[in-house]
Amino acid sequence: SQQGEEDPQALSIQEGENATMNCSYKTSINNLQWYRQNSGRGLVHLILIRSNEREKHSGRLRVTLDTSKKSSSLLITASRAADTASYFCATVPLTGFQKLVFGTGTRLLVSP
Amino acid sequence: DADVTQTPRNRITKTGKRIMLECSQTKGHDRMYWYRQDPGLGLQLIYYSFDVKDINKGEISDGYSVSRQAQAKFSLSLESAIPNQTALYFCATSEVGDTGELFFGEGSRLTVL
Repeated sequence: SQQGEEDPQALSIQEGENATMNCSYKTSINNLQWYRQNSGRGLVHLILIRSNEREKHSGRLRVTLDTSKKSSSLLITASRAADTASYFCATVPLTGFQKLVFGTGTRLLVSP
Repeated sequence: DADVTQTPRNRITKTGKRIMLECSQTKGHDRMYWYRQDPGLGLQLIYYSFDVKDINKGEISDGYSVSRQAQAKFSLSLESAIPNQTALYFCATSEVGDTGELFFGEGSRLTVL
């Protein structure tokens, strides 16, 4: 079963705009990660935020985590056509082994 | 060269055939995983291995088997393929530690007719 659920399922924007994707999860976590997948390719790790962190930045990426609401958001600023991809959140549970549980993803289309 | 290599990248087969998907890695990671991705869905864990002598079932192991031949090699077999096993299969690796960050291969697209 999928713990994470991304919202929206699909997002279409113009180059230069910001893109925000949300992820909700169900159980207590050790950390939450965001991955990117270009069409038909392998997933690539983007950023990790630990349960005791509230915000993290990496280049044009900004991730927030609200453990009280069991939710996270990924913001991509100044989007480029090359950002077109699917974005997945994945959670690592607080206890047990570190098995990532993936959401269903947000498909982002950035038009020139 | 890719750190995590999957072969074949594409395979079309018929119902009832035995299929093996292979994965090799040069990252030196002990942990290896096989995931399945269906269109429009997230990834589901099939099997995982924490070292050469360790094999564990994931969420959807029925109809699949694995072999960890060496630290760097982890293969997935479909003993008798069926059409609903048509999917994109990913191998991934991770280091021992608490982050669980995964490093993925490029995927093997399997079509069962």
